[in-house]
Amino acid sequence: GAVVSQHPSWVICKSGTSVKIECRSLDFQATTMFWYRQFPKQSLMLMATSNEGSKATYEQGVEKDKFLINHASLTLSTLTVTSAHPEDSSFYICSARDLTGRLAGRREQYFGPGTRLTVT
Amino acid sequence: GESVGLHLPTLSVQEGDNSIINCAYSNSASDYFIWYKQESGKGPQFIIDIRSNMDKRQGQRVTVLLNKTVKHLSLQIAATQPGDSAVYFCAENIDTGRRALTFGSGTRLQVQP
Repeated sequence: GAVVSQHPSWVICKSGTSVKIECRSLDFQATTMFWYRQFPKQSLMLMATSNEGSKATYEQGVEKDKFLINHASLTLSTLTVTSAHPEDSSFYICSARDLTGRLAGRREQYFGPGTRLTVT
Repeated sequence: GESVGLHLPTLSVQEGDNSIINCAYSNSASDYFIWYKQESGKGPQFIIDIRSNMDKRQGQRVTVLLNKTVKHLSLQIAATQPGDSAVYFCAENIDTGRRALTFGSGTRLQVQP
């Protein structure tokens, strides 16, 4: 149980184009999902918190108009990198917290396998 | 900037030895901590968690110790195996409604056969 998937696992795009990354909780519901970015040999940095049915909450320094987040259902959040540039090349990882687990007082988060974005 | 290649601290151990990975967390108000394992090109994998009302928790081959006085967390892996080679991150959380985790800088564990 508690599986999170991401699609695509890797993508190469040209500078100026937009890329959409999907994050799905496969066997549980998640009212909240999180998007992280990880550069080589560095830790995970939180970009935004995605809330089902409402606007995402962005961390300081993350442009909300560049990184569009949509959380249309309890099992799906999408991150769209708009007008991508080479400096956006990174490993993007989502995580989700099991709604049922949260209600039971559990706080662990389950991570997706990540999406490697390369902007040329 | 973000493109600077930071070198993760590396712990190198012999197969079969015990490993201890340390983490200093930042927020004295954090009340929940998790250790994650991340293999190359993959997402973090949950290992073990601990709440601030505990100072020790054991799992299968792993033990987490929490010292709130000095804001220190450690992960002990018994009988380390080659499959344990990965980067290990500690993460902290405060249950204030903001449910995101704050990750530490990570430690690379290399297990020598």
